[in-house]
Amino acid sequence: GAVVSQHPSWVICKSGTSVKIECRSLDFQATTMFWYRQFPKQSLMLMATSNEGSKATYEQGVEKDKFLINHASLTLSTLTVTSAHPEDSSFYICSALSGGLETQYFGPGTRLLVL
Amino acid sequence: GENVEQHPSTLSVQEGDSAVIKCTYSDSASNYFPWYKQELGKGPQLIIDIRSNVGEKKDQRIAVTLNKTAKHFSLHITETQPEDSAVYFCAPRKGGGGNKLTFGTGTQLKVEL
Repeated sequence: GAVVSQHPSWVICKSGTSVKIECRSLDFQATTMFWYRQFPKQSLMLMATSNEGSKATYEQGVEKDKFLINHASLTLSTLTVTSAHPEDSSFYICSALSGGLETQYFGPGTRLLVL
Repeated sequence: GENVEQHPSTLSVQEGDSAVIKCTYSDSASNYFPWYKQELGKGPQLIIDIRSNVGEKKDQRIAVTLNKTAKHFSLHITETQPEDSAVYFCAPRKGGGGNKLTFGTGTQLKVEL
């Protein structure tokens, strides 16, 4: 149980384009999901908290207009990187909070490369 | 914000030996202490967690010990195997709600044959 998937697993795009990443909880409902970014050989940095049916809460220094988050259902959250630039190239990882519990289950990650 | 450090940053052991990784945090209100294992190119996987009302927890070859007074908790892996090789992160949850985790600096564990 408690499986989280992400799609796509990797994406290459041109500078200036937008990229959408999906995060799904497959066997449980998640009222809260989190989005992290991880650069090579570094730790995970929390970008934002996504709550179903409400606006996401962004961490300090994360541009909400650049990283659009939508959590329209209890099993799906999406992160859209708008007007991507090479410095946005990173490993994006989502996690989902199982309802009633405090354990975060992580997806397999999405590697983004912006050329 | 919460300051989380891990030591050592790299650890190399022989197969069958034990490995210990220590995590030090700053927020005394932290109340949930998980350890995650991340293999190359994958997302983190929860391997063990402990809550603030418990001092030690064990699951087969893996154990976690918590010292709330000193604000640190440790991951213990016994009888290490090559497949234990990965990066390990502690991620204490800050008190005050929100369920946010603050990830530590990470420890690269290498188990050699």
